[in-house]
Amino acid sequence: GDSVTQMEGPVTLSEEAFLTINCTYTATGYPSLFWYVQYPGEGLQLLLKATKADDKGSNKGFEATYRKETTSFHLEKGSVQVSDSAVYFCALSDTGRRALTFGSGTRLQVQP
Amino acid sequence: ETGVTQTPRHLVMGMTNKKSLKCEQHLGHNAMYWYKQSAKKPLELMFVYSLEERVENNSVPSRFSPECPNSSHLFLHLHTLQPEDSALYLCASSQDHRALTEAFFGQGTRLTVV
Repeated sequence: GDSVTQMEGPVTLSEEAFLTINCTYTATGYPSLFWYVQYPGEGLQLLLKATKADDKGSNKGFEATYRKETTSFHLEKGSVQVSDSAVYFCALSDTGRRALTFGSGTRLQVQP
Repeated sequence: ETGVTQTPRHLVMGMTNKKSLKCEQHLGHNAMYWYKQSAKKPLELMFVYSLEERVENNSVPSRFSPECPNSSHLFLHLHTLQPEDSALYLCASSQDHRALTEAFFGQGTRLTVV
């Protein structure tokens, strides 16, 4: 079956540091891949997506590249801000599945 | 108003109470979902509706009863809940549950069972 594995958190960084949150997946079909962000007390917001191999999704300085050969979709940002503190979820949507498959989430804490 | 709206945002209920959570989407989507998010646990898919028909029920206890009267509205009726049911309940919608598209989430209802 489909699954998404994310690195354990929390990830604690200083402001302006480089961020990488690892995500790998297994899927039976040709999935679309997503990153969602959840700020405290809020629901999940779509951050970026990629629908086929080698696509790069980007938004608000975050990027992730769909790597079929390594079944990965790592999230990166060159310079994090305190306002980026949140929980980040990697997810996939696969053919024949009824809903998104989510990873367990990675909490990011950015300190001033 | 656009997007996915959930009401109420917060709910405290006793174990003998009956309450309902409401979700409304203004995106013209055909599929709607209920998820449960508990502390330190992965997001749990509860129910999937497509064009008002339930297409998935992930072994959810009968004390949770979903209702989808039309493609824009989704309810979760609650009765005789347990303290372990305290969680953030998230509603989401997507264009089509069979397509490889993203889901859009509401802000959630924080439920506390006392």
